[in-house]
Amino acid sequence: DVVMTQSPLSLPVALGQSASISCRSSQSLVYSDGISYLNWFHQRPGESPRRLISQASKRDSGVPDRFSGSGSGTDFTLRISRVEAGDVGVYYCMQGTDWPWTFGQGTKVEIK
Amino acid sequence: EVQLVESGGGLVQPGGSLRLSCAASGLTFSRLWMAWVRQAPGKGLEWVAIINQAGDEKSYVDSVRGRFIIDRDNAQNSLSLHMTSLRVEDTAIYYCGPSSLDYWGRGTLVTVSS
Repeated sequence: DVVMTQSPLSLPVALGQSASISCRSSQSLVYSDGISYLNWFHQRPGESPRRLISQASKRDSGVPDRFSGSGSGTDFTLRISRVEAGDVGVYYCMQGTDWPWTFGQGTKVEIK
Repeated sequence: EVQLVESGGGLVQPGGSLRLSCAASGLTFSRLWMAWVRQAPGKGLEWVAIINQAGDEKSYVDSVRGRFIIDRDNAQNSLSLHMTSLRVEDTAIYYCGPSSLDYWGRGTLVTVSS
């Protein structure tokens, strides 16, 4: 199975500052069509997850442009600029290239 | 508006069975791969199973293969997960949704305990 490794696992951020989460896969996520099927999700406490980014860098409808995804192959990054209180929670990366699709361990973002 | 409503969770003893259901609305159900994803209490997310549009192609994570069966009824816009030989480690919130995971339900809690 493809192992997804996120870092850091805990990320205290001041309001208004930027945050960056890394996600590395144990093998390339580039599919035969040339696309890296890497998604990012956000889960607030007590809520269901919500997809933010698909195909490494495509922001979902309604997701603020403060969120951006980048990377290809095995290294990916989620950046959050101008962090707001509502951004707290756990962020997960997930690969959809090779079954079984797998999630990272999650990165907990909190306000410091 | 897309709605996904999971049901059927509850408390079951190890070795027991349970059938989860998911009612979908607001999306073209019959055109979508659908999936079950679970989350153990305080833990991360894990894929459980996916099923293609016609229901004749199914994949499972190793830990549930041979014990769980995913199925669908396109006429009723519903998805199911029949779980047998349940183990303590199957305790989790079970979410259903399109395999793209761009929509999520609230989930249904399955607790396996004696």
